[in-house]
Amino acid sequence: QVQLVQSGAEVKKPGASVKVSCKASGYTFTSYGISWVRQAPGQGLEWMGWISAYNGNTNYAQKLQGRVTMTTDTSTSTAYMELRSLRSDDTAVYYCARGPNCSGGSCYPIPIDYWGQGTLVTVSS
Amino acid sequence: QSVLTQPPSASGTPGQRVTISCSGSSSNIGSNTVNWYQQLPGTAPKLLIYSNNQRPSGVPDRFSGSKSGTSASLAISGLQSEDEADYYCAAWDDSLKGVFGGGTKLTVL
Repeated sequence: QVQLVQSGAEVKKPGASVKVSCKASGYTFTSYGISWVRQAPGQGLEWMGWISAYNGNTNYAQKLQGRVTMTTDTSTSTAYMELRSLRSDDTAVYYCARGPNCSGGSCYPIPIDYWGQGTLVTVSS
Repeated sequence: QSVLTQPPSASGTPGQRVTISCSGSSSNIGSNTVNWYQQLPGTAPKLLIYSNNQRPSGVPDRFSGSKSGTSASLAISGLQSEDEADYYCAAWDDSLKGVFGGGTKLTVL
């Protein structure tokens, strides 16, 4: 069965960086992208971007360009999301999720279907 | 401000039918399919409806979706207490960027 297991909660100071991991199992890792979605306390879902596990191509949300980097390690079927220059409004639960479909050199808009359990990142001085 | 527009709240009594709307634009809902997610308190979102009106295995047929132009709707019939949750619509846009609605909190009275 498809599973996405994320790393544990983090507490960071403003200006620091955080790197969250997401280990995938139960499917062919390189056939899909991994999307990252965050949810601030009491707020809705915000799409952050995705990375193709096939070739490392990325597509980031405009508002996070320059602060976020998504990477993958195909040898361990693990995706990573690093966010830099953290601010208090980056406090949120960060989710990884499977999608889009990225078999071959292109990615296709399939539904984001399986989600990780979420990682709480708290930014506080 | 979310790219897709949903009502912040909805409610109904057990057994009733409720609908939740989702409005977008030609660059997202107008040109791509809509997916719906259910989020129970303290849990990750769960795919409820995909490709406008398809239900993943295990989702009761009380849940249905539709799309017309740049808008979509989620309908829940035979409302049950366990349906109390937050519901989000989502789509890809023409640049394959994800867009979400702001979410609708469903209360079962």
